[in-house]
Amino acid sequence: DAGITQSPRHKVTETGTPVTLRCHQTENHRYMYWYRQDPGHGLRLIHYSYGVKDTDKGEVSDGYSVSRSKTEDFLLTLESATSSQTSVYFCAIMHGSSDTQYFGPGTRLTVL
Amino acid sequence: DQQVKQNSPSLSVQEGRISILNCDYTNSMFDYFLWYKKYPAEGPTFLISISSIKDKNEDGRFTVFLNKSAKHLSLHIVPSQPGDSAVYFCAASEGSGTYKYIFGTGTRLKVLA
Repeated sequence: DAGITQSPRHKVTETGTPVTLRCHQTENHRYMYWYRQDPGHGLRLIHYSYGVKDTDKGEVSDGYSVSRSKTEDFLLTLESATSSQTSVYFCAIMHGSSDTQYFGPGTRLTVL
Repeated sequence: DQQVKQNSPSLSVQEGRISILNCDYTNSMFDYFLWYKKYPAEGPTFLISISSIKDKNEDGRFTVFLNKSAKHLSLHIVPSQPGDSAVYFCAASEGSGTYKYIFGTGTRLKVLA
């Protein structure tokens, strides 16, 4: 257990509404990540952070923004949700001593 | 272009037999590889990793083999148990300092009792 929580765990929203997902860690890890998991695509990186206020894009960043104002929290925002963003979203942290990522329990998002 | 490929979406194996999951990659800069296991409604959990300086790494019933010339890695589970039934993802990284992984699409393993 890497001390990662995600909230909410489930969310149903309507097209065009803003949505923010939260990832919280308790172990002061520098690197944090947001992935989405979809059938046939595996896990795809959306955005990642390498420190407070330091973020960068992943391979599927369009339509998403992130913020990290303190070490323990990494927020993923969908400014205007679309049905194509229906997915399961996972947060991960990088355990620096082992270069291994550990994942949170996930958030299932449905956009109607 | 998929840099990490798992060409078998699913695999069924009898309990007690060997499970072999395969993964191919195209980027010759990848030098660190990992396997994750995922149960339904849970996050992926780290299973085993291997650096490109090795060709084999073992952890209990799990062994990962790396063939750099073929750009191929495999995960062997011996003996397979019903609790091993899950989706397995391989991941690759360009190594220390990169801190980003590329994941394959996953293989669903079903171990039959």
